[in-house]
Amino acid sequence: AQSVTQLGSHVSVSEGALVLLRCNYSSSVPPYLFWYVQYPNQGLQLLLKYTSAATLVKGINGFEAEFKKSETSFHLTKPSAHMSDAAEYFCAVRGYNNNDMRFGAGTRLTVKP
Amino acid sequence: KAGVTQTPRYLIKTRGQQVTLSCSPISGHRSVSWYQQTPGQGLQFLFEYFSETQRNKGNFPGRFSGRQFSNSRSEMNVSTLELGDSALYLCASSLRTGTSTDTQYFGPGTRLTVL
Repeated sequence: AQSVTQLGSHVSVSEGALVLLRCNYSSSVPPYLFWYVQYPNQGLQLLLKYTSAATLVKGINGFEAEFKKSETSFHLTKPSAHMSDAAEYFCAVRGYNNNDMRFGAGTRLTVKP
Repeated sequence: KAGVTQTPRYLIKTRGQQVTLSCSPISGHRSVSWYQQTPGQGLQFLFEYFSETQRNKGNFPGRFSGRQFSNSRSEMNVSTLELGDSALYLCASSLRTGTSTDTQYFGPGTRLTVL
């Protein structure tokens, strides 16, 4: 069964610094991977998704993620953090032919001024 | 296009009661999935409906049930509420089922508190 592990439940960066949120997947077949963001008292918003078309995926708000099969990773990055990026981020995986999304535990990003 | 809407946004119930939550998907979307989010267990898949049929089910007791109507709107019901059912219940819609590349769009959730 597919699963994802997010390393670090809490990441703190300074405004303007690089954001790196880690996600490793476990799947016996090529997975479909997603990053979502959740702001307080809101639902989840899709940042980007990997569907095997390209290993480097660009998303909204300046985020991108690179699929690395050799490392079974799909880390999320942003070159320069903004205060508005403070939120909780979830990595998720979905296998073939199902809508059952498996989410990681989430990483709370704090951005310091 | 309007997003996924969920009603009510907040709900307070007592143990033993039952509750019904509603979800209206994005227009044209036929798949509706439900998730439970708690601090301890994170985001967990409850079930998915497509064309008024349950297609997938997560590992939850039978107290949790759902249905979908012909207009794709969905409801989930929790009977005999327990304290541990306190959670944010999220609904997500997508165009199709069984197509893993389809994006799931989430609603704002219903915050259920069981006293």
